[in-house]
Amino acid sequence: KQEVTQIPAALSVPEGENLVLNCSFTDSAIYNLQWFRQDPGKGLTSLLLIQSSQREQTSGRLNASLDKSSGRSTLYIAASQPGDSATYLCAVRRSGYSTLTFGKGTMLLVSP
Amino acid sequence: EPEVTQTPSHQVTQMGQEVILRCVPISNHLYFYWYRQILGQKVEFLVSFYNNEISEKSEIFDDQFSVERPDGSNFTLKIRSTKLEDSAMYFCASSEGSEETQYFGPGTRLLVL
Repeated sequence: KQEVTQIPAALSVPEGENLVLNCSFTDSAIYNLQWFRQDPGKGLTSLLLIQSSQREQTSGRLNASLDKSSGRSTLYIAASQPGDSATYLCAVRRSGYSTLTFGKGTMLLVSP
Repeated sequence: EPEVTQTPSHQVTQMGQEVILRCVPISNHLYFYWYRQILGQKVEFLVSFYNNEISEKSEIFDDQFSVERPDGSNFTLKIRSTKLEDSAMYFCASSEGSEETQYFGPGTRLLVL
């Protein structure tokens, strides 16, 4: 059974810092991995989708990397802003299935 | 930009009552999903739906749950006889293909008393 773990559970940084969020998964037979952002009491906003054949994906200040063989992904946020404060979730999709298995998330607080 | 919408945003019901949660997926998407998130816990998959039938379901999705696409735009989740432990945020999602990005709605917060 796929298990997804995210470390740290919470992170507090001053504005302007670069930061890394970590995601690990137990079964490397994944098709892709998706990073989401969740604001308190709200839905999930898709940030990046990285295919198992890719090493990284970039969107603006966000960069996601994937090391499928070691079961790890990182989300790098450059020059963090207070508006980046949210919970960041990673989710993996097993090969041959459409369902996503989620981690519990990292709660990020960026203070001005 | 097209988005997934859900109604109602909040629902309070008594244990044993039936509830129907509604979703309007993105119009050209073919795959539809329901997930739930119990407060403080992970987002969990419930069911996926394609071509008017269930394609995958989790062990959570027992006989108390059912899904339907009653017309060309709506996708519903019905819980026949709600239990206290059904209290959660329920998210609908849709995607163009089975392995494409899933886009989530804002959720329905269900409270069972």
